[in-house]
Amino acid sequence: GDSVTQMEGPVTLSEEAFLTINCTYTATGYPSLFWYVQYPGEGLQLLLKATKADDKGSNKGFEATYRKETTSFHLEKGSVQVSDSAVYFCALSEMDSSYKLIFGSGTRLLVRP
Amino acid sequence: NAGVTQTPKFQVLKTGQSMTLQCAQDMNHEYMSWYRQDPGMGLRLIHYSVGAGITDQGEVPNGYNVSRSTTEDFPLRLLSAAPSQTSVYFCASRAIAENYEQYFGPGTRLTVT
Repeated sequence: GDSVTQMEGPVTLSEEAFLTINCTYTATGYPSLFWYVQYPGEGLQLLLKATKADDKGSNKGFEATYRKETTSFHLEKGSVQVSDSAVYFCALSEMDSSYKLIFGSGTRLLVRP
Repeated sequence: NAGVTQTPKFQVLKTGQSMTLQCAQDMNHEYMSWYRQDPGMGLRLIHYSVGAGITDQGEVPNGYNVSRSTTEDFPLRLLSAAPSQTSVYFCASRAIAENYEQYFGPGTRLTVT
């Protein structure tokens, strides 16, 4: 079945460092891809999405590009802030059941001042 | 709009007890779902509903029941709690006509002893 694999955390960075969180997926067909963020004690919020190959999703300085050839959707940010400390989840929705989300295991990011 | 609300925030049960986790949304979304979040495993879909009177099983439905009598409410019932059901539970909703964004509630942390 479809699946999402994320790099294990925690990822610890200093403020203003460059962030990459790797995400790869396995899917039949052409899924839509998402990054969700979970701040401490809160539910998940959609950070960005891409619905077809070569699409770039972006929001709040974060970016991710849907790469069909490498089945990847890596999350990047050029300069992280302490307020970016959270757990980040990569997810996909299958073409034939676009309501359901399949999540990766999550990557915790800790940004130190 | 309150968005997606969940009650209670925390709950401790003894093995064999039953309880209902409440979920409500005020956005008139057709699709609602329940996920559980376990360490290192991301979120897994328990049950979902595409409208009042319609429910279906997700990836991990055993030990849980749902019903959808109104558009707004989607309660999750634990029939006989087991320690393996210790988890954080998230409810989510989305409009079927919208492009993909699911809105998550703040979660219920359940401990079964």
